[in-house]
Amino acid sequence: EIVLTQSPGTLSLSPGERATLSCRASQSVSSSYLSWYQQKPGQAPRLLIWGASTRATGIPDRFSGSGSGTDFTLTISRLEPEDFALYYCQHYGGSLSLWTFGQGTKVEIK
Amino acid sequence: QVQLVESGGGAVQPGRSLRLSCAASGFTFSSFAIHWVRQAPGKGLEWVAVISFDGSTKYYADSVKGRFTISRDNSKNTVFLQMNSLRDEDTAVYHCVKGVVAAAMGGSYFDYWGQGTLVAVSS
Repeated sequence: EIVLTQSPGTLSLSPGERATLSCRASQSVSSSYLSWYQQKPGQAPRLLIWGASTRATGIPDRFSGSGSGTDFTLTISRLEPEDFALYYCQHYGGSLSLWTFGQGTKVEIK
Repeated sequence: QVQLVESGGGAVQPGRSLRLSCAASGFTFSSFAIHWVRQAPGKGLEWVAVISFDGSTKYYADSVKGRFTISRDNSKNTVFLQMNSLRDEDTAVYHCVKGVVAAAMGGSYFDYWGQGTLVAVSS
């Protein structure tokens, strides 16, 4: 089973700053199967990025995804007040490991 | 717009059963797989189960296999999760989630999520 480890656990930044979130897989995975979600308190998760780097419909271009192999990154170029939230990476491993999530990174206001 | 509305959650004792429902609208329901993903209080996301577009194929997380059953009624645009032999560790918000393909397998991500329904298992 593939394990996704996100770091840091919490990122304290100010509006306007750049956020860099990491997602590391326990073994090499296809970038086609790596996605990112945003979750705000009391809300359902929202798809941000799929296929490691493709923004979902309606997602602002300040959000970008990159990476390959075992290391993936979600970057928020300039934090807006509405971007302070929890972020999860997710991998699809087919019939062997199905769908797995990282433990999440909280982006909080400094 | 796509909407997924869960219902059926509540407080239940260990060992008892509960049936969750998910009413979908805003897309061609019978063309897509549907998943359940849960989130324990203060914890991360855990995939639970998936059902194919026609209900013929289902997969479950090991943690619920043999206890939970997913099903769907395409005539009513509704998915169900029958949860039996509930345990304390099943306490979570259960989200109904739309897949991006028809088959149970192959959809690598989830494009729409419901708000969820809370299941609290406690004696």
